Amino acid sequence: DQQVKQNSPSLSVQEGRISILNCDYTNSMFDYFLWYKKYPAEGPTFLISISSIKDKNEDGRFTVFLNKSAKHLSLHIVPSQPGDSAVYFCAASPTPGSARQLTFGSGTQLTVLP
Amino acid sequence: EAEVAQSPRYKITEKSQAVAFWCDPISGHATLYWYRQILGQGPELLVQFQDESVVDDSQLPKDRFSAERLKGVDSTLKIQPAELGDSAMYLCASSYQRGTSGTSGSKGDTQYFGPGTRLTVL
Repeated sequence: DQQVKQNSPSLSVQEGRISILNCDYTNSMFDYFLWYKKYPAEGPTFLISISSIKDKNEDGRFTVFLNKSAKHLSLHIVPSQPGDSAVYFCAASPTPGSARQLTFGSGTQLTVLP
Repeated sequence: EAEVAQSPRYKITEKSQAVAFWCDPISGHATLYWYRQILGQGPELLVQFQDESVVDDSQLPKDRFSAERLKGVDSTLKIQPAELGDSAMYLCASSYQRGTSGTSGSKGDTQYFGPGTRLTVL
């Protein structure tokens, strides 16, 4: 049973346009969400996070939106750059009092075309 | 910038052999995690340490896997004997988080990953 789902295994976007990566979750105990970027042969790099008390968090070109009622979050990258080409993982962590473990989605391969 | 260190970066072994991976977390990070990532999937937690204590090893195949963090700093993950299905990327992560209480979403919750060890079992 996948508690965090990234239904699009790949996405191609033209340089300068917006990239939108989506993530759905099923566990209502999740209250902290993160996006990681991963290049081949490297470990995931933390990108941006959002707590369930917010519905939006922005950091430069990256914005994460959280819709708790729909159990859906998305990562917007604008403008997209060729260096953004990587696998993007959505991850979720449950409420305080637990071990704060992360559950990851299966990833979306983003390709930004020059 | 402080980083999580892992070694080796690559390991090729034959099945039934023993392998060991090492991780040095970011200085001051109390919590250390070992994950396994199979190609095409997201990382899956194997074991979590808080200082030198195991917090959760429910997903660790204990018949062949072992992990320790004796002094609460660096950690070793061992597989003995290795099997073909163990071929994967083994990732170590650390976070500042101390204990399980506190406001969710604080910077202490963020896990920082090392470069991983790519294991190939022949």
